[in-house]
Amino acid sequence: DTEVTQTPKHLVMGMTNKKSLKCEQHMGHRAMYWYKQKAKKPPELMFVYSYEKLSINESVPSRFSPECPNSSLLNLHLHALQPEDSALYLCASSPDRVEETQYFGPGTRLLVL
Amino acid sequence: AQSVTQPDIHITVSEGASLELRCNYSYGATPYLFWYVQSPGQGLQLLLKYFSGDTLVQGIKGFEAEFKRSQSSFNLRKPSVHWSDAAEYFCAVGARGGSYIPTFGRGTSLIVHP
Repeated sequence: DTEVTQTPKHLVMGMTNKKSLKCEQHMGHRAMYWYKQKAKKPPELMFVYSYEKLSINESVPSRFSPECPNSSLLNLHLHALQPEDSALYLCASSPDRVEETQYFGPGTRLLVL
Repeated sequence: AQSVTQPDIHITVSEGASLELRCNYSYGATPYLFWYVQSPGQGLQLLLKYFSGDTLVQGIKGFEAEFKRSQSSFNLRKPSVHWSDAAEYFCAVGARGGSYIPTFGRGTSLIVHP
């Protein structure tokens, strides 16, 4: 299995909702990442987990809450989002955090109303 | 800190023509270099990468890139473009040692005319 899967593919939520994005990989990778990508822009790094511990938080607002329950799974919990948070949310993994290639999932397209 | 520049926002080519997408980086040493492709609404797919060794790197889908230290460049090439190559292309640079997390360029949108 050489892919990163993300669910759901699409998500529409109101500003008062709570929802979660899920990312899974079964490649034995020990680093996992969340990126946010707006249209026609490059991905922006949000969080990095290394060996299931949060190692980088790029000053992301607290309405985004990451969680890494085990080495294969990464969640992003969403609460009280704003319309400007609408974007494609990409998950990626790499064998380790250092000197390794990232493998990206297909993304979750999020629309906040 | 490293940075990467993709000077072309859009590139238009005819199907069957050759392609070169430009990428320039700024980093004090030899970086890690990547090219990714993203089709509309999809995730990023790695085309090729340079870590060390041969400066001409072969990738998937017939793409290649050449690392030129003297020009701080890592341009992507393909001898004959197919309509399915229309997509967004991102160059990325990672720093050796410490946090290597790659920095992405702004992307180049490739349009292919029949």
